[in-house]
Amino acid sequence: GENVEQHPSTLSVQEGDSAVIKCTYSDSASNYFPWYKQELGKGPQLIIDIRSNVGEKKDQRIAVTLNKTAKHFSLHITETQPEDSAVYFCAGRISGNTPLVFGKGTRLSVIA
Amino acid sequence: EPEVTQTPSHQVTQMGQEVILRCVPISNHLYFYWYRQILGQKVEFLVSFYNNEISEKSEIFDDQFSVERPDGSNFTLKIRSTKLEDSAMYFCASSAGGAFNTEAFFGQGTRLTVV
Repeated sequence: GENVEQHPSTLSVQEGDSAVIKCTYSDSASNYFPWYKQELGKGPQLIIDIRSNVGEKKDQRIAVTLNKTAKHFSLHITETQPEDSAVYFCAGRISGNTPLVFGKGTRLSVIA
Repeated sequence: EPEVTQTPSHQVTQMGQEVILRCVPISNHLYFYWYRQILGQKVEFLVSFYNNEISEKSEIFDDQFSVERPDGSNFTLKIRSTKLEDSAMYFCASSAGGAFNTEAFFGQGTRLTVV
């Protein structure tokens, strides 16, 4: 089955700097890769996703890139703000509405 | 904005007792899921439900677990005889279905504590 690895497990950045979180997946059939932000005591919130037919997607300060050949995808947050501090999870799924397989998460701390 | 709602937010139960966790998925969604997250660990899939039956389940979802959609709005997870290791956050999620509506939206979770 699919396996998703995520790095780093913790990341601290200064406010205004960029943050990059990387994930790799094992199953080349995977075609959908969402990113979730989880704040303390809350459920995962979808922040951006990418499908395998595109290489990059951007939404304001957040972007995701996908390299299908290397089977890795990354989350880029620019101009970080303290409210970006949270745990970020990458995930992958093989098709349709099959279950998501999550990475272990990255705890991002943005230092003011 | 539509959202997935879960009740209760926190449940404390004695080992061996039955618990039912409740979820109201987004109203026009067709696929429903339960995931769990042990403290500090990643989110793990338990079960998916479509067209009034289980479509997939993980090895975690053993005979002690069951799911039900008793009416048009609720989706429940039952744990028959809780164990200490069942302590975790349980998240319900739903998605609309179809090839291009696969985004899964999560509820706020129920923190289950088995003592």
